[in-house]
Amino acid sequence: DAKTTQPPSMDCAEGRAANLPCNHSTISGNEYVYWYRQIHSQGPQYIIHGLKNNETNEMASLIITEDRKSSTLILPHATLRDTAVYYCIVKVSNFGNEKLTFGTGTRLTIIP
Amino acid sequence: GAVVSQHPSWVICKSGTSVKIECRSLDFQATTMFWYRQFPKQSLMLMATSNEGSKATYEQGVEKDKFLINHASLTLSTLTVTSAHPEDSSFYICSAERLDVADTQYFGPGTRLTVL
Repeated sequence: DAKTTQPPSMDCAEGRAANLPCNHSTISGNEYVYWYRQIHSQGPQYIIHGLKNNETNEMASLIITEDRKSSTLILPHATLRDTAVYYCIVKVSNFGNEKLTFGTGTRLTIIP
Repeated sequence: GAVVSQHPSWVICKSGTSVKIECRSLDFQATTMFWYRQFPKQSLMLMATSNEGSKATYEQGVEKDKFLINHASLTLSTLTVTSAHPEDSSFYICSAERLDVADTQYFGPGTRLTVL
């Protein structure tokens, strides 16, 4: 079973920041938070990951609460091409070989 | 970046034939690759974990004799669907794991299999 809870769907206006929440209240100390997205009929695309600290890259920012029980993915200026299903996944990073368990994700729709 | 390719991107075959799908990591080496399957309007389901030079580990309910996995090099894993039937029609996706990026998995574009 997936260890995360996400809202099934969200809308965001084009040009605005999209904030996607994720609850992972049972996360362990050695588990990372990974975010992926899947555009229709394509393989998932890696977005960002983090352990404790907030992270930012060219695609998004990841804000992790101090107790690590929840996180928020922020797309700063959403475009129509950001319409996709977004998956929040927790997984250990321990010399590899650990599987990703995909839940149902959040279907984000960017509105023109 | 971390690029993973799959070939073919789509395939149509007759019932009873075998189909081979290739997964390649183009700019990094991957000791571990994973194979997923996705049915319409469903999430990805892991089928098996493929380790270079050893036997694959299959998830419960996945027939290892039907879905043959070979991981002969650090950049190539193959999935062969043997004696395919219409119920095997699905979207097959592979991923390759980078140990130097917190074991992040990078996914291929997927292969759409249709069995007639």
